[in-house]
Amino acid sequence: GESVGLHLPTLSVQEGDNSIINCAYSNSASDYFIWYKQESGKGPQFIIDIRSNMDKRQGQRVTVLLNKTVKHLSLQIAATQPGDSAVYFCAETDSSYKLIFGSGTRLLVRP
Amino acid sequence: DAEITQSPRHKITETGRQVTLACHQTWNHNNMFWYRQDLGHGLRLIHYSYGVHDTNKGEVSDGYSVSRSNTEDLPLTLESAASSQTSVYFCASSVQPYNTEAFFGQGTRLTVV
Repeated sequence: GESVGLHLPTLSVQEGDNSIINCAYSNSASDYFIWYKQESGKGPQFIIDIRSNMDKRQGQRVTVLLNKTVKHLSLQIAATQPGDSAVYFCAETDSSYKLIFGSGTRLLVRP
Repeated sequence: DAEITQSPRHKITETGRQVTLACHQTWNHNNMFWYRQDLGHGLRLIHYSYGVHDTNKGEVSDGYSVSRSNTEDLPLTLESAASSQTSVYFCASSVQPYNTEAFFGQGTRLTVV
């Protein structure tokens, strides 16, 4: 598999703690906002999405929050595990439903 | 199991040569995408297709082309490779009309020397 060593902001958390990864977006017209996880040597993997008419959505151990007022998206991971260590990307779909990726954050989980 | 595969996994080519990267998916997805991933830029969309014979330009399409002659394949061609096209390339496919859940291949590392 492939990956690139991106110069990314890094969030370091203790195993078992909760993690919060943040993302700012610019396109107010986006219909969906999405979080992807990219492990070393692999392609990105879908985690969770949220439609623009919602402000919160929960999945298994993850919660996505959308604040349209300040154009902010966050991903909360409960009880972070070593397997959560990865780069996390926020993304959005534009009016033609192209999937556009934003900046990434590297999550490091300390044992 | 259904999957999406890219080939080759690694490629070194010379400036000016034509290069084609293959992407094949067995999910029968209508929507397919090509991205490049570079230091400091994350994933940038090159081209995408919403069905057979449909192709569209993404944000960084200059120097690249795609064709969609069947549902399973979306090959990416670099017409005349340049050093600026050294990157990791990812192909993805999606069945949803909203494309939020895309499935990615393992990537191809291309080096242009």
